[in-house]
Amino acid sequence: SQQGEEDPQALSIQEGENATMNCSYKTSINNLQWYRQNSGRGLVHLILIRSNEREKHSGRLRVTLDTSKKSSSLLITASRAADTASYFCATGNTGFQKLVFGTGTRLLVSP
Amino acid sequence: GAGVSQTPSNKVTEKGKYVELRCDPISGHTALYWYRQSLGQGPEFLIYFQGTGAADDSGLPNDRFFAVRPEGSVSTLKIQRTERGDSAVYLCASSLVQGKETQYFGPGTRLLVL
Repeated sequence: SQQGEEDPQALSIQEGENATMNCSYKTSINNLQWYRQNSGRGLVHLILIRSNEREKHSGRLRVTLDTSKKSSSLLITASRAADTASYFCATGNTGFQKLVFGTGTRLLVSP
Repeated sequence: GAGVSQTPSNKVTEKGKYVELRCDPISGHTALYWYRQSLGQGPEFLIYFQGTGAADDSGLPNDRFFAVRPEGSVSTLKIQRTERGDSAVYLCASSLVQGKETQYFGPGTRLLVL
């Protein structure tokens, strides 16, 4: 079963605009990770934020985590057509890191 | 270096047949994971190996599914008496050690059961 949900399910923007995706989850977590998936195949790890962190940056990516609301957001700044993909959040618990994925946001960036 | 590889890329089989899906993790990674992703959904955990042993197989849907990792490297996911509902993309991931958070995913095997 899925841990949570991403919002929106689909997002369509123009190149250069910012894209914000939200993720909600249900149980306590050790960390939360964001992955990108192109064409329904392999996932690429983007960024990990731990439960004691509130914000993290990596290049054009900014992730926030609010454990009191059990939610996270992924911001992609100055989007490019190459950012077109599905984005998933995944939560990990203490231990062996079985990841529990959300339902994903499909991002379309038009030139 | 080489990433996680999975073979075959695509597999079409008939209902009731047996299939094997192979995963070759990143060299030196001791943890290996199998996930299944249905159309329009996020991946769902199936089984996790630490070394040769299955540390958690709680995600396997039923006893038709079985996975092995006899030498602590390559893993094979085996599905007996396939059903149309087994159609999905099967993803494999590996990580360096237990508790190392970043999992590196392979390209997946797309299984279609007719």
